[in-house]
Amino acid sequence: AQKVTQAQTEISVVEKEDVTLDCVYETRDTTYYLFWYKQPPSGELVFLIRRNSFDEQNEISGRYSWNFQKSTSSFNFTITASQVVDSAVYFCALSEATSGGSYIPTFGRGTSLIVHP
Amino acid sequence: AAGVIQSPRHLIKEKRETATLKCYPIPRHDTVYWYQQGPGQDPQFLISFYEKMQSDKGSIPDRFSAQQFSDYHSELNMSSLELGDSALYFCASRPRQGAQNEQFFGPGTRLTVL
Repeated sequence: AQKVTQAQTEISVVEKEDVTLDCVYETRDTTYYLFWYKQPPSGELVFLIRRNSFDEQNEISGRYSWNFQKSTSSFNFTITASQVVDSAVYFCALSEATSGGSYIPTFGRGTSLIVHP
Repeated sequence: AAGVIQSPRHLIKEKRETATLKCYPIPRHDTVYWYQQGPGQDPQFLISFYEKMQSDKGSIPDRFSAQQFSDYHSELNMSSLELGDSALYFCASRPRQGAQNEQFFGPGTRLTVL
């Protein structure tokens, strides 16, 4: 079963629109971490945010905001006033402890965001 | 600030050839992770090393092997390459005193198998 579900395969918006990328995760652990990464066409993985399971505070960073809700196992990402440079594939990831005690992220399938001028 | 270095950035090989990918972690990072991302896919964990010992193993094929050296750099050796090995290979490193969940990704090596 997929541990991280990003139901939106592709989203297309026009510049200046707000857009929300959904992420639903599944875990039995009480301690886990959630991440969002951006992968532009150049291919590198750009770290955006890390959240631990004990911190449900929403976070805002410029035009980016994240809504973490344990009750619905969701960690959604909103881009306000989208720009063409936001066009990329966005990955949500979940880290749980391995038997060795480290945390290895499991990624969702990604959401491709296309922002048209 | 120094980042994770991967070399080469691009590599083209023929089927059945071998390839070696290198990863140089950020200074004072002692843990290295390898990921494989096929076209249109999400990154999949392959293997990790801590203090030169294998620490976790993911979906790494038997044709692949990896190691971490005394200077903490790591190499991923891939033999009998197949078309399906064409992918972006990421290395990530973790600081010696860092949290278990903290990883810094390199820019990736794009391997194309013809």
